[in-house]
Amino acid sequence: SQKIEQNSEALNIQEGKTATLTCNYTNYSPAYLQWYRQDPGRGPVFLLLIRENEKEKRKERLKVTFDTTLKQSLFHITASQPADSATYLCALDILNSGYALNFGKGTSLLVTP
Amino acid sequence: DADVTQTPRNRITKTGKRIMLECSQTKGHDRMYWYRQDPGLGLRLIYYSFDVKDINKGEISDGYSVSRQAQAKFSLSLESAIPNQTALYFCATSRGGNYEQYFGPGTRLTVT
Repeated sequence: SQKIEQNSEALNIQEGKTATLTCNYTNYSPAYLQWYRQDPGRGPVFLLLIRENEKEKRKERLKVTFDTTLKQSLFHITASQPADSATYLCALDILNSGYALNFGKGTSLLVTP
Repeated sequence: DADVTQTPRNRITKTGKRIMLECSQTKGHDRMYWYRQDPGLGLRLIYYSFDVKDINKGEISDGYSVSRQAQAKFSLSLESAIPNQTALYFCATSRGGNYEQYFGPGTRLTVT
């Protein structure tokens, strides 16, 4: 079955440092991979999409890499701020479903001043 | 106004009751989705619809049904609620040709 794995342990980092979150997947050949941010009690918010033929994508302080050989994506937040504290979800398209998504369970990030 | 709205935002109901959760969107998107989120289990897809005439089951459709009344409206029903359907329910939309999804604020459902 298709599986998405994200670090279940919370990631605690100091303000100003770079946060790196990992998403590993099995039994997928994804055409693209997405990252979302979710704050407690709120709906996920789309951040970035990277396609299978892209190695890296950037948006402001965010950077995503996609290694289809390793079956892994890394999500980086540079110069992290306390406002970046949230849960970050990785998502892949469900096999043969077109645009429906499977989500990882998410990694909680806490940035302390 | 929010682009994707869900009603009610909170609901407490009893076992065996029928309940409907509603989702409306003003984004003009053709695709709509229902997910539930449970602590430790993440977001799981219940149903999705690519247009008014297209309804598809997701990973955990048992015990649920849906209705796509119009392009902008997608309702989720629990015919006979049970306690393990207690969860946070999210509606989402996307536009054909674009992959990112836009989520509503969620409905917190408690079945006692």
